[in-house]
Amino acid sequence: DAKTTQPNSMESNEEEPVHLPCNHSTISGTDYIHWYRQLPSQGPEYVIHGLTSNVNNRMASLAIAEDRKSSTLILHRATLRDAAVYYCILKEVFGNEKLTFGTGTRLTIIP
Amino acid sequence: GAVVSQHPSRVICKSGTSVKIECRSLDFQATTMFWYRQFPKQSLMLMATSNEGSKATYEQGVEKDKFLINHASLTLSTLTVTSAHPEDSSFYICSARDRGALSTDTQYFGPGTRLTVL
Repeated sequence: DAKTTQPNSMESNEEEPVHLPCNHSTISGTDYIHWYRQLPSQGPEYVIHGLTSNVNNRMASLAIAEDRKSSTLILHRATLRDAAVYYCILKEVFGNEKLTFGTGTRLTIIP
Repeated sequence: GAVVSQHPSRVICKSGTSVKIECRSLDFQATTMFWYRQFPKQSLMLMATSNEGSKATYEQGVEKDKFLINHASLTLSTLTVTSAHPEDSSFYICSARDRGALSTDTQYFGPGTRLTVL
């Protein structure tokens, strides 16, 4: 599986936007970029995914670099409930359905 | 959105006993479910892939005779930790994919089961 690299931790002030980066320089043309997050003592939850174009949903936006070697998850207005570990995962469209979790980014929201 | 439940949410057992954890997809059918284990301060590690009506596929290093997986229906998979020992204490999480979804679509995760073996 292609590997992703994320910062171990980030902090952000409440009610400000948060940009969570992910590098995936070995991404292949058939890899989708998925983001999940895990709140304390809970199972992960899906956030967003995309292939080439930027994506928006009610939770977040995903900005994908033109060469697809990096992406950024954008939380437009962070709340305390957004404090979690955020995982950036590559998933091959024709491959098996497994998700391989890296270490993720632990996001702390400062009130 | 789709909901996956797990039961029990937490369990404490004595060393040597077996513990069964259930994973249910509540409003969709899942031909494939996944079982993960997460130790404190670590990431999720996939243990096995559970396929309805067939044998589970285990990841390298996971003992299939110790972690028994049964996926008897499209909405239920069970993980039994046999002869549990303190080193099996962990957070066990299942996930499921909607059988009607595209292969690129999301997985839905359960809330996890905290196992403590004394």
